Amino acid sequence: DAKTTQPPSMDCAEGRAANLPCNHSTISGNEYVYWYRQIHSQGPQYIIHGLKNNETNEMASLIITEDRKSSTLILPHATLRDTAVYYCIVRVEAAGNKLTFGGGTRVLVKP
Amino acid sequence: NAGVMQNPRHLVRRRGQEARLRCSPMKGHSHVYWYRQLPEEGLKFMVYLQKENIIDESGMPKERFSAEFPKEGPSILRIQQVVRGDSAAYFCASSPGISTNTEAFFGQGTRLTVV
Repeated sequence: DAKTTQPPSMDCAEGRAANLPCNHSTISGNEYVYWYRQIHSQGPQYIIHGLKNNETNEMASLIITEDRKSSTLILPHATLRDTAVYYCIVRVEAAGNKLTFGGGTRVLVKP
Repeated sequence: NAGVMQNPRHLVRRRGQEARLRCSPMKGHSHVYWYRQLPEEGLKFMVYLQKENIIDESGMPKERFSAEFPKEGPSILRIQQVVRGDSAAYFCASSPGISTNTEAFFGQGTRLTVV
């Protein structure tokens, strides 16, 4: 399985952009990068995913480096409700497409 | 289009009883994944099912746990003879297909407490 590495925690100021890094240096050519978040003890929430092009939706932007060995999730204007654990996951077809969650990044948005 | 529905949201069982957790996938989704989250820990994969088939149960404890996803009705995670260590949040996710380019959506979970 392609493994991801994320910082364990980070703080962000309310209203500012939050940039969450993720390393996935062993990613293979057809493996997608997914981002989920878990707010408190709720079910994980899908945010965005991508293969090699940058992606944007109403929640966030995903920037993937050209060599695909790392990516950054950008929350453009963080709010207090964005406080959560954010998971970067490489989805592996050989592993049955299951999402394998690591430790994630605990993001605290401060007023 | 309703999201992934799990019930019950909270379940209390005495040691030795059986727990049945239900997961209704999103409309049109035929793939279901179950995860367990112990208190203060991360999400751990348990089992992956398609309609009437178990595809990957590599994360399922060998004893007391079973899962099914019948042709009709919700997916069921069954825990027999529960013990205190089974107390956790159990989440299911569903997706419409097998491609790695397909989002999986999670339910709000069932919180099992064994007393």
